[in-house]
Amino acid sequence: DTAVSQTPKYLVTQMGNDKSIKCEQNLGHDTMYWYKQDSKKFLKIMFSYNNKELIINETVPNRFSPKSPDKAHLNLHINSLELGDSAVYFCASRGQGAGETQYFGPGTRLLVL
Amino acid sequence: QKEVEQNSGPLSVPEGAIASLNCTYSDRVSQSFFWYRQYSGKSPELIMSIYSNGDKEDGRFTAQLNKASQYVSLLIRDSQPSDSATYLCAVNVGTSYGKLTFGQGTILTVHP
Repeated sequence: DTAVSQTPKYLVTQMGNDKSIKCEQNLGHDTMYWYKQDSKKFLKIMFSYNNKELIINETVPNRFSPKSPDKAHLNLHINSLELGDSAVYFCASRGQGAGETQYFGPGTRLLVL
Repeated sequence: QKEVEQNSGPLSVPEGAIASLNCTYSDRVSQSFFWYRQYSGKSPELIMSIYSNGDKEDGRFTAQLNKASQYVSLLIRDSQPSDSATYLCAVNVGTSYGKLTFGQGTILTVHP
């Protein structure tokens, strides 16, 4: 029944490794997002896809690569992890219309050692 | 100037009081405004959205928008300990794809 789900919930890894986070929504929404929330709780958008097409690409290192195999899924792959990548990554989805609510997933807590 | 700025807090109010949370934004073309609540260790959840000037009430929550002053606020009446959380103000400048810019959040503590 979960509207927006993410896996894994926790990710602890070493610097230099490559890791992926997956997101799925069952709301039938066309638009999905990745946000990063740092240790000071500041939530910042990274990417957005609309129906598998990349539409928002903020200033993010190119070590981060999103992929959307279909409009219900949005994955985030991170290469060569750095200490500063430690954060909570939230996936969100939204229906049609500029004012529509964004629904957030539970978050993936990434810790890079 | 930050794009979306909230009163830094933390804000502490006694149970039953009114909690007032404030947010200013810099982009005059902003069209949609949202208040999210985030409990510690949880994801943000929408509690109010507002699109036009004036007040919007939903239960104990009232959102107020003043586009001329570029100001949006959230009032929580009869505050409860369960309202203790971080409140995030978010603004959509009107892009069709809903890009939200968030403030840094205000931590609210309601003490019994």
